[in-house]
Amino acid sequence: DGGITQSPKYLFRKEGQNVTLSCEQNLNHDAMYWYRQDPGQGLRLIYYSQIVNDFQKGDIAEGYSVSREKKESFPLTVTSAQKNPTAFYLCASSTSWAGGSGYTFGSGTRLTVV
Amino acid sequence: QQPVQSPQAVILREGEDAVINCSSSKALYSVHWYRQKHGEAPVFLMILLKGGEQKGHEKISASFNEKKQQSSLYLTASQLSYSGTYFCGTPDLSGYSTLTFGKGTMLLVSP
Repeated sequence: DGGITQSPKYLFRKEGQNVTLSCEQNLNHDAMYWYRQDPGQGLRLIYYSQIVNDFQKGDIAEGYSVSREKKESFPLTVTSAQKNPTAFYLCASSTSWAGGSGYTFGSGTRLTVV
Repeated sequence: QQPVQSPQAVILREGEDAVINCSSSKALYSVHWYRQKHGEAPVFLMILLKGGEQKGHEKISASFNEKKQQSSLYLTASQLSYSGTYFCGTPDLSGYSTLTFGKGTMLLVSP
């Protein structure tokens, strides 16, 4: 079955450490997205990519970085510059026009700073 | 701009109906609806496109009024499985497909 796989499910980060969240999809979707979810805040867009080797900043990109070297993969790095990284991170994908069939989300990674 | 959802939370008994509203300060061409159960990923329910159409998913339907820049989600004869947080998402107008989501409406259906 096609879908999106995020790993790990839980991640603990020490102060000053960079961590990378994995996102892989086998839906042949062109577009991929990273959202951050905090209680009571909804989902906020971090980065998105419409095509391989190209990506754009979302509303809260500071302290994060991404790459899109393959159509299937869109990893997110949370850098030490992100001062409050504890959150639930969701990766999503869609056809190039999401109005066709909406987003498909991965199961998320819960990141905690220790 | 983030769409505004109301109410923030709803508590229902099984079999009761509910309406969740989503409004935007900007022109809308479409509205997405998603449901998220606790600790899980949001699941796509439906898209409403320009034209005031209604759509349905199980006993959940929605309407979209582009003139009023708002959409409503109707949950009829609610079931326990309807519990979760409902989000509306509105696409940007730049030609890309990024969605801006509302803060969500938490729905709890009790027996």
